[in-house]
Amino acid sequence: GAVVSQHPSRVICKSGTSVKIECRSLDFQATTMFWYRQFPKQSLMLMATSNEGSKATYEQGVEKDKFLINHASLTLSTLTVTSAHPEDSSFYICSARDMVITSGGNEQFFGPGTRLTVL
Amino acid sequence: RKEVEQDPGPFNVPEGATVAFNCTYSNSASQSFFWYRQDCRKEPKLLMSVYSSGNEDGRFTAQLNRASQYISLLIRDSKLSDSATYLCVVNEVTGGGNKLTFGTGTQLKVEL
Repeated sequence: GAVVSQHPSRVICKSGTSVKIECRSLDFQATTMFWYRQFPKQSLMLMATSNEGSKATYEQGVEKDKFLINHASLTLSTLTVTSAHPEDSSFYICSARDMVITSGGNEQFFGPGTRLTVL
Repeated sequence: RKEVEQDPGPFNVPEGATVAFNCTYSNSASQSFFWYRQDCRKEPKLLMSVYSSGNEDGRFTAQLNRASQYISLLIRDSKLSDSATYLCVVNEVTGGGNKLTFGTGTQLKVEL
């Protein structure tokens, strides 16, 4: 149980294009999903917290107009990198938290990540 | 100062060795603590939670010292398959809910 999928797993695009990444919780409902970014040899950095049916909460320094997040259902959140540039090339990972699991609700289940390369 | 600090390593150890990783965190209000394991170009996976009383899961032992804001992970009888990056993770309760803060990770290489 508690599987999170991401699509696509890898994308290469030209500078200036927009890229949409999907994050799905496959066997549970996730009221909250998180989007992280990880540059080589660096830690995961939280970009934003996505709550179903409401606006995402962005971390300081993350441009909300560049990284559009939509969490329209309890099993799907999307991250759109608009007008991507080479400096946006990174490993984007989503996670989801199932508040039903009686583990204290703290555990986040991670998707396999999306590797974005902007040429 | 980073919120969660770890020695990046790498730690190169022979198979069967015991290795210890340390981590410090800056926010004294942090609520819960974890060790995650991340393989190269993969997502992080939860290894174990860390409790004040210390906890053990097979060859892995985690300790938390809240007074010193210090977390440790001990791996006994290292296996080749333990080679990975170990992430110290701290959970904080903020106005927006729970938030995980990751350390940069400590790389472990177990060799024959």
